[in-house]
Amino acid sequence: AQSVTQPDIHITVSEGASLELRCNYSYGATPYLFWYVQSPGQGLQLLLKYFSGDTLVQGIKGFEAEFKRSQSSFNLRKPSVHWSDAAEYFCAVGPNFGNEKLTFGTGTRLTIIP
Amino acid sequence: DVKVTQSSRYLVKRTGEKVFLECVQDMDHENMFWYRQDPGLGLRLIYFSYDVKMKEKGDIPEGYSVSREKKERFSLILESASTNQTSMYLCASTPRGLREFGNTDTQYFGPGTRLTVL
Repeated sequence: AQSVTQPDIHITVSEGASLELRCNYSYGATPYLFWYVQSPGQGLQLLLKYFSGDTLVQGIKGFEAEFKRSQSSFNLRKPSVHWSDAAEYFCAVGPNFGNEKLTFGTGTRLTIIP
Repeated sequence: DVKVTQSSRYLVKRTGEKVFLECVQDMDHENMFWYRQDPGLGLRLIYFSYDVKMKEKGDIPEGYSVSREKKERFSLILESASTNQTSMYLCASTPRGLREFGNTDTQYFGPGTRLTVL
């Protein structure tokens, strides 16, 4: 069965500092991987996705993620965070052949301090 | 832009009431999903539907049912609401063939309904 682990429940970063959010997955085939962001009171917005090809993918809002098959990881990075990046971030993997289900991690809450 | 709308942003119901949560998408997507989101548990899939009148159980279907009479609308039903169903409910949609046909699209989410059961 596929699964996603986000080991950090809560991360606090100073504005302007770099950010890395961790995501590890378990999946039986070549995974499709996603990062979503949820601002307070909002639904989920797609930041970026990996399907195939270049293992470093660029997303919106200055985010990037790197797929590392050997480590089963898909970590999200940003070189310099802004106060507006404070949100909850979800990593997801899937879908399976025959259905379109995604499996989500439990999320990482990001707090930005001035 | 894909638009997924949910009928209510906030809802307060009493234990035992029948509750309907509505979701509508405007992009002719075949697949629709209902999740619930709880702190520390992330998103958990309740039900999904890959066509009109078709439905499949997700990971936590107990206490819920769904209805998909039209392609654009997917309803989540709490037959007899209980306090442990207090949660944020998120609807999503996606076109068919996300993997099988090399479709590089993704799931589009509605803004969520925060349901409180008293």
